[in-house]
Amino acid sequence: EVQLVQSGAEVKKPGESLKISCQGFGYNFTNFWTGWVRQMPGKGLEWMGIIFPGDSDTKYSPSFQGQVTMSVDRSISTAYLHWSSLRASDTAMYYCAKTSVTTGGAFDVWGQGTFVTVSS
Amino acid sequence: SYELTQPPSVSVSPGQTARITCSGDAMSTQYSYWYQQKAGQAPLLIIYKDSERPSGIPERFSGSSSGTVVTLTISGVQAEDEADYYCQSPDSSGVYVFGKGTKVTVL
Repeated sequence: EVQLVQSGAEVKKPGESLKISCQGFGYNFTNFWTGWVRQMPGKGLEWMGIIFPGDSDTKYSPSFQGQVTMSVDRSISTAYLHWSSLRASDTAMYYCAKTSVTTGGAFDVWGQGTFVTVSS
Repeated sequence: SYELTQPPSVSVSPGQTARITCSGDAMSTQYSYWYQQKAGQAPLLIIYKDSERPSGIPERFSGSSSGTVVTLTISGVQAEDEADYYCQSPDSSGVYVFGKGTKVTVL
């Protein structure tokens, strides 16, 4: 079964750093773009960016460029989303998802989400 | 920045047809995608490449495209279709965006 398993919920203080993870199972992780989507409480989906694990090529939304960093560890089929200095406004659910050849740029499989709370 | 425009809400009676539009300047040259998100769940892809349905998605969900407007149609709406629906499409540079979402209420 193809699935993405994300790391658990986090509670952080403003200014702290954080890296959340997304591990792929049941498919060739290096061959498909992995993306990140933010959903702030009670709000809609926001496309943050995508990374191609095969060569770590990235595309960021202008809204998130410079605010977060995407990376991968191909050896353990895991993608990461990193903040160097969190803000209260980063409080949200973060989903990872993968694309496929069939569906083009659509995300056909999603992780369960990681909720990040940033509060002093 | 590029934006996709969806109506905030649509209400429909069971068995009727719900139509949700999504408009964007680049949509005439780019594919669109639709997701369903039920409360407390991750989104689910229901339409890709304008009108294709992933396996397991009921036939009552269909998509169409005309110029810069795409439409998700839910025929014979069921109570279980109550959810938020989001369109997604790239801008001309290949950076994707989501619409702000449409809440479908089954009366």
